[in-house]
Amino acid sequence: AQKITQTQPGMFVQEKEAVTLDCTYDTSDPSYGLFWYKQPSSGEMIFLIYQGSYDQQNATEGRYSLNFQKARKSANLVISASQLGDSAMYFCAMREGIDLHSNYQLIWGAGTKLIIKP
Amino acid sequence: EAQVTQNPRYLITVTGKKLTVTCSQNMNHEYMSWYRQDPGLGLRQIYYSMNVEVTDKGDVPEGYKVSRKEKRNFPLILESPSPNQTSLYFCASSFSGPISSYNEQFFGPGTRLTVL
Repeated sequence: AQKITQTQPGMFVQEKEAVTLDCTYDTSDPSYGLFWYKQPSSGEMIFLIYQGSYDQQNATEGRYSLNFQKARKSANLVISASQLGDSAMYFCAMREGIDLHSNYQLIWGAGTKLIIKP
Repeated sequence: EAQVTQNPRYLITVTGKKLTVTCSQNMNHEYMSWYRQDPGLGLRQIYYSMNVEVTDKGDVPEGYKVSRKEKRNFPLILESPSPNQTSLYFCASSFSGPISSYNEQFFGPGTRLTVL
């Protein structure tokens, strides 16, 4: 079974609108972290935001916020006031593991290609 | 500047010709990892290293080797490349420890490999 599911292969959004990118996850581990990365057409991976499973508040970083619904196992990325430079692939990733010696592997979704229209 | 560097950035080679992709980080991170990215599949882990001289297989290790002789370097070796190893490769590093944003993985710029 997929551990990270991003159901939107692609999205078109008008500039200045808010956009929500969906991410659902599957884990039985009580301790996990969720990460969002942005990959522009140039190819590099840019870290955007992090949410820990025990965090009480939804994470925010500038125009990025994470709508974390633990019971539904969803961690949607919200980008407010979208800009042309937000056009990119967006990946949701998860790290499981309370065990300090476990692999710190990030498990990745397939990504959502976001295109911002002027 | 804190960074992960990879070389080469682009490589076209032929089946069976051994190659090495270098990875180096200057952040004193204990953990390093190699991923490959293929369309529609996200990133998949090839190998990882928890510290010097400690390496282990990820999800797709077949056809790859790694070594970690120094903390800063984690080269990826393809002894006999095949066309199904054509992919975009990323090296990443992070601090060790309990899950937190402190464990953010920093990525290199990627190496685009084509095996003919």
